[in-house]
Amino acid sequence: EVQLLESGGGLVQPGGSLRLSCEASGFTFSDYAMSWVRQAPGKGLEWVSLITGSADGTWYTDSVKGRFTLSRDNSKNTLYLQMNSLRVDDAALYYCAQERSGWLIQWGQGTLVTVSS
Amino acid sequence: EIVLTQSPATLSLSPGERATLSCRASQSVGTYLGWYQQKPGQAPRLLIYDASNRATGIPARFSGSGSGTDFTLTISSLEPEDFAVYYCHQHSNWPWTFGLGTKVEI
Repeated sequence: EVQLLESGGGLVQPGGSLRLSCEASGFTFSDYAMSWVRQAPGKGLEWVSLITGSADGTWYTDSVKGRFTLSRDNSKNTLYLQMNSLRVDDAALYYCAQERSGWLIQWGQGTLVTVSS
Repeated sequence: EIVLTQSPATLSLSPGERATLSCRASQSVGTYLGWYQQKPGQAPRLLIYDASNRATGIPARFSGSGSGTDFTLTISSLEPEDFAVYYCHQHSNWPWTFGLGTKVEI
C-alpha cells in the first residue's frame, strides 16, 4: 500500500523559512517523479513543483520560483521542499503526491503551513 | 500559463440524477486533462486521466470526454458519496494548472 506522510509544517513569520518533508513507502520511490500541490484554506488546488525520479529535473510554478527548492533523497525515500522568503499567500495545506505520466496518482494527507506575524 | 475554467461553480442535484461538469482550457491541452475528486477533510483522488480513462478503482458511473479545449466529466447517476468538489487538471504545459473546482451538492 502506498503511503505518503508529510511533515514540517507550522507557523512562520513572513520572510521566514520552512522545510517540508514527505516520507514515502509502499513503492519503489526512485521510479517515480514526485510533486507538491497546495491548497489555501477554503480555496482550490494549486500545483507547486515536481521533481523527476532521479532528481535530474525540477519544475516550479511561477510564484515560487527562486524561493522554493524541491529535492529528494532516494536512499531515505524522502521528498523535501525548502521554502524561503515565505509570504502570507504561501499559507496553505501542502500535499505531496506520487506522479505517473503527468497524473498525481496517490496523495498524502498534507501538512499545514501558516505564515503570519 | 494555461487557465482552466470550470462550470458551473456549484451544481445542486439529488441522488440518482446525472451530473455534467465542464472544464474549458485557455489553449489546447490535447488530452492531457484529468479530473480529481476531493471530499471535505480528505486529499484529492484521481478519477479520470488522459481525458477519458478511469483511474484504478473508479466506478463506471464516472466518465470523461473531450479533447483540445473542451472537456466534460459526467456522473451518470449520483450516489451519496459522490457529493464533493471536482477539479480538472492539465499537464500539457508548464506550469501545471488546476481549475477552481465544481462543488456537487445535494
